[in-house]
Amino acid sequence: GAGVSQSPSNKVTEKGKDVELRCDPISGHTALYWYRQSLGQGLEFLIYFQGNSAPDKSGLPSDRFSAERTGGSVSTLTIQRTQQEDSAVYLCASSLPPGLPPDTQYFGPGTRLTVL
Amino acid sequence: QKEVEQNSGPLSVPEGAIASLNCTYSDRVSQSFFWYRQYSGKSPELIMSIYSNGDKEDGRFTAQLNKASQYVSLLIRDSQPSDSATYLCAARIQGAQKLVFGQGTRLTINP
Repeated sequence: GAGVSQSPSNKVTEKGKDVELRCDPISGHTALYWYRQSLGQGLEFLIYFQGNSAPDKSGLPSDRFSAERTGGSVSTLTIQRTQQEDSAVYLCASSLPPGLPPDTQYFGPGTRLTVL
Repeated sequence: QKEVEQNSGPLSVPEGAIASLNCTYSDRVSQSFFWYRQYSGKSPELIMSIYSNGDKEDGRFTAQLNKASQYVSLLIRDSQPSDSATYLCAARIQGAQKLVFGQGTRLTINP
């Protein structure tokens, strides 16, 4: 079956602009995660969705970052007033609900964001 | 102390030899551990998961978990050039669903 898909694959934007990144999880995966991978910081958790609610937003670095999920499927991560330090690869992962094995998180191909 | 720590390498191993990758973890993680492989410019791909003390084998890969010493390792037997990648150790935080990752170990298999 289809894996996790993300769009766009690459995004170049100017400092101060808003960007929206999209994730489409594996069908049937109610858990969805956003991570960020940058050279100096490794792979960092941003936010976790179970269905349409986000019980863990602890990794969002500032109030410029927000995410939503509708219909228990597609999620969008929005970064407002982008800064150069936001440049990174944004990875989405999905998994079966907690407690339902296997609890493996499967990653999408990522969106490479470059802020000029 | 970081929740998950790895030696960033680089680790260089001759083709056909055993590659050994190690990871230590803190008390803040639960007992769910994952090894991901990441090729340059690609996203992480799950290699192994391990939850119980001891060894778990899958083909040329063996994951080892030692809860007393708080380390988890990945052995790759009969290493191939295609195994050259960065290997990420990950664990689930206690009471949460998120994963925390080590910095990754860059492995190169030399023909």
